[in-house]
Amino acid sequence: GENVEQHPSTLSVQEGDSAVIKCTYSDSASNYFPWYKQELGKGPQLIIDIRSNVGEKKDQRIAVTLNKTAKHFSLHITETQPEDSAVYFCAAIRAGFQKLVFGTGTRLLVSP
Amino acid sequence: GAVVSQHPSWVICKSGTSVKIECRSLDFQATTMFWYRQFPKQSLMLMATSNEGSKATYEQGVEKDKFLINHASLTLSTLTVTSAHPEDSSFYICSARNRQGAREAFFGQGTRLTVV
Repeated sequence: GENVEQHPSTLSVQEGDSAVIKCTYSDSASNYFPWYKQELGKGPQLIIDIRSNVGEKKDQRIAVTLNKTAKHFSLHITETQPEDSAVYFCAAIRAGFQKLVFGTGTRLLVSP
Repeated sequence: GAVVSQHPSWVICKSGTSVKIECRSLDFQATTMFWYRQFPKQSLMLMATSNEGSKATYEQGVEKDKFLINHASLTLSTLTVTSAHPEDSSFYICSARNRQGAREAFFGQGTRLTVV
């Protein structure tokens, strides 16, 4: 089955810096890769996603890149702000399957 | 994005009692809903997948008689933790997809269950 690895487990940056979180997946048939932000005591919130027919997608300060050959995808946050502090999860899902497979999460801390 | 509402947000119950958690899709019809469990500082662990009008599919190791899931309508799924014990204390989260074949999954706010 699919396995998703996520790095780093924790990431501390200064306000205004960029943050990059990386994930690798094992199943080459996976074709949808969402990213979720989870604040303390809350459910995950979908912040951006990418499909396998696209290499990059941007939404304001957030971007996701996908390298299908290497089975890597990454979340990029520019001009970080303290309110970006949260746990971020990547996930992958295979075409025709229902279940999302999550990474282990990255705790991002943005210091003012 | 679509809104998924989960209730209650937290609950404390005594050992041996049952607790019901509701998950509602507010502005869409959810053909498929998922229930997750999350331990502190860990990722989400899928417990079961439920499709409206049919029995839930449980993940390996999840006791279906202990975690009863009902998905009676396209906007409501419930998780009942029966005969709760302290080890059932956890953060439970539901998510939903709004149509067959949709990739996007939207999550509820989660329910913090504490069994004393």
